[in-house]
Formats: sequence, structure tokens, C-alpha cells
Amino acid sequence: QVQLQESGPGLVKPSETLSLTCTVSGDSISSDYYWAWVRQSPGKGLECIGGVHHGGMDYYTPSLKSRVTISLDTSNNQFSLRLTSVTASDAAIYFCARRIPNLNWFDSWGQGTLVTVSS
Amino acid sequence: QSVLTQPPSVSAAPGQRVTISCSGSSSNIRNTYVSWYQHLPGTAPRLLIFETDKRPSGIPGRFTGSKSGTTATLAITGLQTGDEADYYCGTWDFSLKTDVFGTGTKVTVL
Repeated sequence: QVQLQESGPGLVKPSETLSLTCTVSGDSISSDYYWAWVRQSPGKGLECIGGVHHGGMDYYTPSLKSRVTISLDTSNNQFSLRLTSVTASDAAIYFCARRIPNLNWFDSWGQGTLVTVSS
Repeated sequence: QSVLTQPPSVSAAPGQRVTISCSGSSSNIRNTYVSWYQHLPGTAPRLLIFETDKRPSGIPGRFTGSKSGTTATLAITGLQTGDEADYYCGTWDFSLKTDVFGTGTKVTVL
């Protein structure tokens, strides 16, 4: 059974870069899935940030696209999120997830990691 | 901000039935599959329904999904106290070219 676990700093300063890592066990990130990030701002719903596939395909939500990079690290079976120029509105619980290509669903999720933006 | 609209909350007594609507548009729900997730704060969201009306193994038949036009619906029958959680619909938006989720619905068992 695949398991995903987020890790990274819980506190980021405004204007700096948020970097998170998702460690995958029970599956290879080179398999035929998208590896994605989803966030939940305080008191709000889920927001997809984007996802990448080992075949080179990727997608990002338009409102974040200019600031986001999601990349795969096959040697460590991890994938990462990089979000630049953060503001208070980027404070959220960040989830990593595995997404089925072409079929619009996420079958496995991490438990999430809380990121606070404050100086 | 979300392109998919859900009622903020629904409630019913144990054993009763609740339905949660997810209203979208021709850019998303009408033309593709819908999924549903159950989320308890502090835990990983759990997939309940995929491809609009299919259940993963381990999800009881009390949870059913359907779709008509631009609206998808999750029904929960035989409501149990363990069903108290937030529920989200999700799908692909062809205009935004990204996955989108609903606004979320809190289910309360009275």
C-alpha cells in the first residue's frame, strides 16, 4: 500500500521560498501516476496546486503557476514543492497526493503539514 | 474562489440519509468524472468515490455517487457518528486546466 509523508519547515518568512518534500513508500514515483500537491488554507477548502508525471507532463493551477515548481527526485523516491515569494495567504496545510492520470482522482494522500508565514 | 459549489453543512440523525450536492459547469462536471473525499481535520483525506459512481475497496455501499448535467451528488445512507467529517467533491476543469475541488460540506450527525 502506498504511503506519502510530507516534510519541511513549518515556518516561512514573507517574501521567502516555501520548500516541502513528499517521501513516497510502497510505489515508485516513476510509475504511471501524477504526483501532486494540494493545500487547505485556514477555514477554507482544498486547493490543487499542481502535479507532475515522470513522463514530463505537469500542470499547475493558474493562480499559482508563476510561483510554483513541482519536481521529482527518483533517486530518493520523493517529490518536492517550491513556492516562491510567499505571503500570508500561502499559510495552509499542504498535502501531497497521488493522482490517477486522465481520470481526475487522487487515491492516496499524506496527512499534511502545516506551514505558517510570519516574520 | 472555488469553481465547484457545495452546501456548507448538512445534518441528520443516525440511520438517516443525507445528500451533498456539488454544482459546477460545462467546463468541469458536465464533461468529466467526479470524485469525492472524506476529510477529518488532522488526517489524510480519504477517497470515497471515483469516476463519479465507483467505490474503492473498503468503502461501504452506504456511500453512493451520481451526476446529472453540471451537478454531482454524494449520498450517505444509514448515517453513523463516524461519518461526521468534511466532504469534498473534485474534478478536472478544462478551462483552468487543473484539478478543482468543491467548497466543502460539513456533515453533522445529530
